[in-house]
Formats: sequence, C-alpha cells, structure tokens
Amino acid sequence: AQSVAQPEDQVNVAEGNPLTVKCTYSVSGNPYLFWYVQYPNRGLQFLLKYITGDNLVKGSYGFEAEFNKSQTSFHLKKPSALVSDSALYFCAVRDDGSWGKFQFGAGTQVVVTP
Amino acid sequence: DAGVIQSPRHEVTEMGQEVTLRCKPISGHNSLFWYRQTMMRGLELLIYFNNNVPIDDSGMPEDRFSAKMPNASFSTLKIQPSEPRDSAVYFCASSLNGQETQYFGPGTRLLVL
Repeated sequence: AQSVAQPEDQVNVAEGNPLTVKCTYSVSGNPYLFWYVQYPNRGLQFLLKYITGDNLVKGSYGFEAEFNKSQTSFHLKKPSALVSDSALYFCAVRDDGSWGKFQFGAGTQVVVTP
Repeated sequence: DAGVIQSPRHEVTEMGQEVTLRCKPISGHNSLFWYRQTMMRGLELLIYFNNNVPIDDSGMPEDRFSAKMPNASFSTLKIQPSEPRDSAVYFCASSLNGQETQYFGPGTRLLVL
C-alpha cells in the first residue's frame, strides 16, 4: 500500500523569503516521488522527481526537494519565493511494485504576498 | 511537442445526458490515465491503460462511467447518464511505460445541471 500526506492546506510566505511545502509518504517498497504544480484553471505541471541517487533533487523554476528516507519525507523548497509561485502544489508517490498507480496528496495552496 | 490534448475544455449538460470526454496522449507515450478532481475528494485516479489495454479501473465510480482506448493516440471517457455529482474537472495524463513522469492535459471542466 502507498499513501502520501501533505500536512498543510495552505502555506503563506512573503516574496523573497524561503518557501517549504511538506510531504511525507508511506510505501511498501522503494518510493518514486514527484512534485507537481497546478495554476488556476490549468492542468498539473511536473516540477521534479526522485527515483534514485542524490537525495537533493533540483527541478523547474528554481525548486528543489530533499528525499529523507529515515523521516519518509520529500519536502519541496525554494530559496526565494516569487508572487508567481502562488499555486496549488501536489506531492505524489508510487512504490516500485505498483506499476503506474500514483498516489497524490491533497495538495497545498501556496500564497506568496508582495 | 503539443502535450496532452483534451476536448472539450468546458462542458455544460443536463442531468441524464451522455457526456464524452476525449484525450490525445503525447506521441510515443504508451500509458494513459484518467483522473477526476473535486474540492471534496481531491485528485482521484479513475482508470489507466497500458498499450491501449485497461490495467486498473477500480477507481471508476460506477457503471455509468466507461473508458476506451481504441488506439495509441486516442481515448474517451464516457458518462451515461450524467448526474450533478459528476460535476468536476477531468484530467487525462500520459507517460512512458507507466513508470515515468505523468504529463497532464489542461482538463475538461464538466458541469451537470
């Protein structure tokens, strides 16, 4: 079985400040982890993924995420948030035994204020 | 690449009518996924295909929903008859071999009156 939790419904941050969006997961095998972003009235856009290798993954638009196996976490980070980063962020997980079937989190709304 | 294409982008219909949503996956991708997004339930996987064959339809809510993939470049999701509780945004996504990154279409916003 696989599951993912995004503990915060909303994250508020001032422009220029660091942004962190939290994600924890549970899988029975090795995790494949993804972050997506959704802007209003748009589809989900892929940001980054962790499959194997370096625990720090760099993605699109200056985002990065750190895989922490002991804490079963995959938090999304950006050193300096922009107003244009305001969107809905989804974490997704798949274990290496469950072909194709991603489990998406409930999403975290990020609001960046000028 | 054009990305995943969905049509229509918006659909308004009356309860009891048949609704057909269409999807064209990214060329070369052999896995296709249908999702539904609502405020209450978030993003739900309805069904997915690999090489045009349905692999898992356990997320399809009931018999009123059906999905087909007659070829590698086209899939439909049909609701017959539609009900107001089917109102949602329906997304199609595609990937290579089901194991890689899924790429989403822009979605179809369905409103059943």
